[in-house]
Amino acid sequence: GAVVSQHPSWVICKSGTSVKIECRSLDFQATTMFWYRQFPKQSLMLMATSNEGSKATYEQGVEKDKFLINHASLTLSTLTVTSAHPEDSSFYICSATGGQGTEQYFGPGTRLTVT
Amino acid sequence: QKEVEQDPGPLSVPEGAIVSLNCTYSNSAFQYFMWYRQYSRKGPELLMYTYSSGNKEDGRFTAQVDKSSKYISLFIRDSQPSDSATYLCAMSKAAGNKLTFGGGTRVLVKP
Repeated sequence: GAVVSQHPSWVICKSGTSVKIECRSLDFQATTMFWYRQFPKQSLMLMATSNEGSKATYEQGVEKDKFLINHASLTLSTLTVTSAHPEDSSFYICSATGGQGTEQYFGPGTRLTVT
Repeated sequence: QKEVEQDPGPLSVPEGAIVSLNCTYSNSAFQYFMWYRQYSRKGPELLMYTYSSGNKEDGRFTAQVDKSSKYISLFIRDSQPSDSATYLCAMSKAAGNKLTFGGGTRVLVKP
């Protein structure tokens, strides 16, 4: 299957600061990337969908000014959590689709802890 | 009511047994059906991908989709302790579209 990477894998930040998470498709061009959040013992919740070169589409209830998504190239999307608060602490996972198939491949996730 | 329902488990089976997992859904617009495996603190790994109704086999894994009943299944034969993980069903309305996930079933395969 295709490979999606995320960086960093774990980040700790102080309340009020901003954190950027990168998602890269390593061996295919990702026409669409998705960002999910997962709390312990819960399933994945879609936050937003991003297509290369256009604005992201956010799910209902997700603050677009707080979770900034940029999909500047076919291999890179970034999620910036602005003015982070402890309740933003979660596991953030990206996925990408494109290339030959329509399958969605997931990155390894980024664990964010806001103190 | 959630769009996709999945028993959270845990489902405990002895090594070598068949693991049977399933999901039900309410939206008849779903056309693509997937099963993912997720280990703790890792991203989901795609196991099976099917379109519309029917069966698909890949190694020890068999996926079944019954659109008339809005019911999908995953069977794992000859289960191994390394199969212990959370299994997530997911579905979408169109190719490459956003996925709607079930809540996940935690599976424990005991040696």
